[in-house]
Amino acid sequence: DTGVSQNPRHKITKRGQNVTFRCDPISEHNRLYWYRQTLGQGPEFLTYFQNEAQLEKSRLLSDRFSAERPKGSFSTLEIQRTEQGDSAMYLCASSLALGREDTQYFGPGTRLTVL
Amino acid sequence: AQTVTQSQPEMSVQEAETVTLSCTYDTSESDYYLFWYKQPPSRQMILVIRQEAYKQQNATENRFSVNFQKAAKSFSLKISDSQLGDAAMYFCAPIPITQGGSEKLVFGKGTKLTVNP
Repeated sequence: DTGVSQNPRHKITKRGQNVTFRCDPISEHNRLYWYRQTLGQGPEFLTYFQNEAQLEKSRLLSDRFSAERPKGSFSTLEIQRTEQGDSAMYLCASSLALGREDTQYFGPGTRLTVL
Repeated sequence: AQTVTQSQPEMSVQEAETVTLSCTYDTSESDYYLFWYKQPPSRQMILVIRQEAYKQQNATENRFSVNFQKAAKSFSLKISDSQLGDAAMYFCAPIPITQGGSEKLVFGKGTKLTVNP
């Protein structure tokens, strides 16, 4: 049984470049979440999907951020025209939402450094 | 909006001893889960324990147990027989229960636990 995987694990980019991260959820999990975590803080919610539908986006998700989950399986998070303030750990989580029993399981994260 | 307060930025404990991490939260929801997650230096968040708000019995998972006081909106984590591998950041997170399952987690700022040999 494989857990949530994220690629790449680390990404260094120059300001103004575009970056894309990928998240592969646990097989058959219907919900997928993206969080952002900066140093010394708890993760902050960005967006989540149920199957392929994006159900909620945080105000943290500016127009430069876009997330997709085609076919309801893996998801991508793209950041356009990166800024130094985008430097953070980007965490993905997935869950099997069936009634009351539901827990989010996290991947290892993608650490983004914007120079 | 939910808020979570973890008032202890750092805690330390001797190996084999017991430590309690505190968490208070504010929510208008009547039905919710409460989670403790652990984030070791490798940075992967790991679920430690879960409590359903409607259950009066405190959750227990091996050496980990909670003291849930719903009226006070308090959800502390007790770690017994602390081990070196327990060293990590610990995050508390409540989440409302909806018909479709859980939604976004709202995390506190975390407590950094150091375990001294």
